[in-house]
Amino acid sequence: GAGVSQTPSNKVTEKGKYVELRCDPISGHTALYWYRQSLGQGPEFLIYFQGTGAADDSGLPNDRFFAVRPEGSVSTLKIQRTERGDSAVYLCASSLNSGREGETQYFGPGTRLLVL
Amino acid sequence: AQSVTQPDIHITVSEGASLELRCNYSYGATPYLFWYVQSPGQGLQLLLKYFSGDTLVQGIKGFEAEFKRSQSSFNLRKPSVHWSDAAEYFCAGKMDSSYKLIFGSGTRLLVRP
Repeated sequence: GAGVSQTPSNKVTEKGKYVELRCDPISGHTALYWYRQSLGQGPEFLIYFQGTGAADDSGLPNDRFFAVRPEGSVSTLKIQRTERGDSAVYLCASSLNSGREGETQYFGPGTRLLVL
Repeated sequence: AQSVTQPDIHITVSEGASLELRCNYSYGATPYLFWYVQSPGQGLQLLLKYFSGDTLVQGIKGFEAEFKRSQSSFNLRKPSVHWSDAAEYFCAGKMDSSYKLIFGSGTRLLVRP
């Protein structure tokens, strides 16, 4: 079956612009996660959705970042007034239930964001 | 604080040689531990995971990992590396009450022909 998909695969924008990154999780997965991977680093947690609600957004770096999942499936990560430091690969993952215990998170290929 | 450490940034091995990638964790209790592989343009793919029980875990692509509580380690091994194994490898952990994966900084594997 289809895995997690993310669009666009690459996004180049100018400092100060607004961007939206989209994630399509595996069908039937209720949990969805966003991570950010900076160059030379491992992914870092941003936000976790259980169904439609953001159960934990403690990893969002500041209020320029916002994410939604209005129908409990597709999610959009929104970044306002982008800064050069936002340049990174944004990874989306999904899991079947709560994501707790040993439940596997399945990752998409990521969106590479470059802010000029 | 909870953390996962991968002490080797790069490792180079010859094709056919054995491989061991190191991972150390720091948690209050035994976490769930995972190894993922990331190839260029690809998402993170799960190789294997450890919950409890048998400390030697078998994964896909011929990989295995051994959990050692006394050393707080979860090292990844492969007896004979193939050129297609060249990629970045990430160790990750989480507590059973959490959903957040905490990743190490990764080890880039280069394979010499």
